[in-house]
Amino acid sequence: DAEITQSPRHKITETGRQVTLACHQTWNHNNMFWYRQDLGHGLRLIHYSYGVQDTNKGEVSDGYSVSRSNTEDLPLTLESAASSQTSVYFCASSEHPGATPYEQYFGPGTRLTVT
Amino acid sequence: QKEVEQNSGPLSVPEGAIASLNCTYSDRGSQSFFWYRQYSGKSPELIMSIYSNGDKEDGRFTAQLNKASQYVSLLIRDSQPSDSATYLCAASGSARQLTFGSGTQLTVLP
Repeated sequence: DAEITQSPRHKITETGRQVTLACHQTWNHNNMFWYRQDLGHGLRLIHYSYGVQDTNKGEVSDGYSVSRSNTEDLPLTLESAASSQTSVYFCASSEHPGATPYEQYFGPGTRLTVT
Repeated sequence: QKEVEQNSGPLSVPEGAIASLNCTYSDRGSQSFFWYRQYSGKSPELIMSIYSNGDKEDGRFTAQLNKASQYVSLLIRDSQPSDSATYLCAASGSARQLTFGSGTQLTVLP
């Protein structure tokens, strides 16, 4: 079955380290998104991509970067992890198959702790 | 700035009752609306999409959209304890992005 996966599911890292979170989808969706979820803030968009080699900044992109070298993967990199980046990170993907525009489907999430 | 507001709750209803979840949005250009259910510690799961004014029913769930009032709601009939979760409202305009509300926590009491 087609799916969207994230790895690792849990990560503890130290302040200042570079961290990469993986997102892989097998739906062949063009659109992929990264969100963070924090108590009191809901889901906030970090970066998104509408296709290979396309990347865009979202609402809270400072300190994060993404790259899209193929359809299936959109890794999220924290260049120099900060305690404020402790959060749960969700990857999502979507397509527009005509009648159901832009429904997004989420991966299981990665819980990141920066100490 | 595009905003989606939800009644923050928490909302408690007895088993078998109707749960009513409400959402308003600020961007009049929003075209598509979604309700996600999120169990504690899990990822959001899409349960309803609605694009036209009026009601859309799927089993025990009914989504209602009123674009003139910029209002979206989700009704859950015959609520079950398994419906206890946080419900997220989201809106999308011409872009492919979603703007999410902060969610309403629902508890269905046995």
